[in-house]
Amino acid sequence: AQTVTQSQPEMSVQEAETVTLSCTYDTSESDYYLFWYKQPPSRQMILVIRQEAYKQQNATENRFSVNFQKAAKSFSLKISDSQLGDAAMYFCAYRRPWGAGNMLTFGGGTRLMVKP
Amino acid sequence: NAGVTQTPKFRVLKTGQSMTLLCAQDMNHEYMYWYRQDPGMGLRLIHYSVGEGTTAKGEVPDGYNVSRLKKQNFLLGLESAAPSQTSVYFCASSYGTGYNEQFFGPGTRLTVL
Repeated sequence: AQTVTQSQPEMSVQEAETVTLSCTYDTSESDYYLFWYKQPPSRQMILVIRQEAYKQQNATENRFSVNFQKAAKSFSLKISDSQLGDAAMYFCAYRRPWGAGNMLTFGGGTRLMVKP
Repeated sequence: NAGVTQTPKFRVLKTGQSMTLLCAQDMNHEYMYWYRQDPGMGLRLIHYSVGEGTTAKGEVPDGYNVSRLKKQNFLLGLESAAPSQTSVYFCASSYGTGYNEQFFGPGTRLTVL
């Protein structure tokens, strides 16, 4: 079974600075998908960014980018120019391309605090 | 579009009571999911559906049942609630598999006393 590990329960960043959240996963498959979701205090899960494992190029979405290291099974999220609205729980998730309804397997989350 | 909606938003049950959580989506998605989120943990899949009339077990299905009689609705039932089922429940839906985004509802906070 796949497992996803987020080793940083909490992180803190100064407004306008850059922060990197770590995620590692365990899988024996070569094709899969990786996601970062944001959960603000409202509880709503919001997709931040996603990556296909067969693509070597790292995904970027405005201030959010990933560092995908397939051999190391690492998928970190970099937030540039941090804003107060970035404060939230961030969850890394893994998804197989088939089977079990393509369920998402989530890590335990990292709480990001942004200091003004 | 309302996206994914969940009813109710909050509920308190006594041990042994039953209840049904309703999830509705207006995006014509085939796939629907029920997750639970416990403190300090990520979401875990309870049950899912790959289309109208289908259901399947996820990672933590015990104590729950589901039904998908209509494509837009996915119901989660607790027949005899237990304190271990105190959690926040999220419904999600997606158009397809793999890279397709799962859209989440706002969650239901359930407390079982």
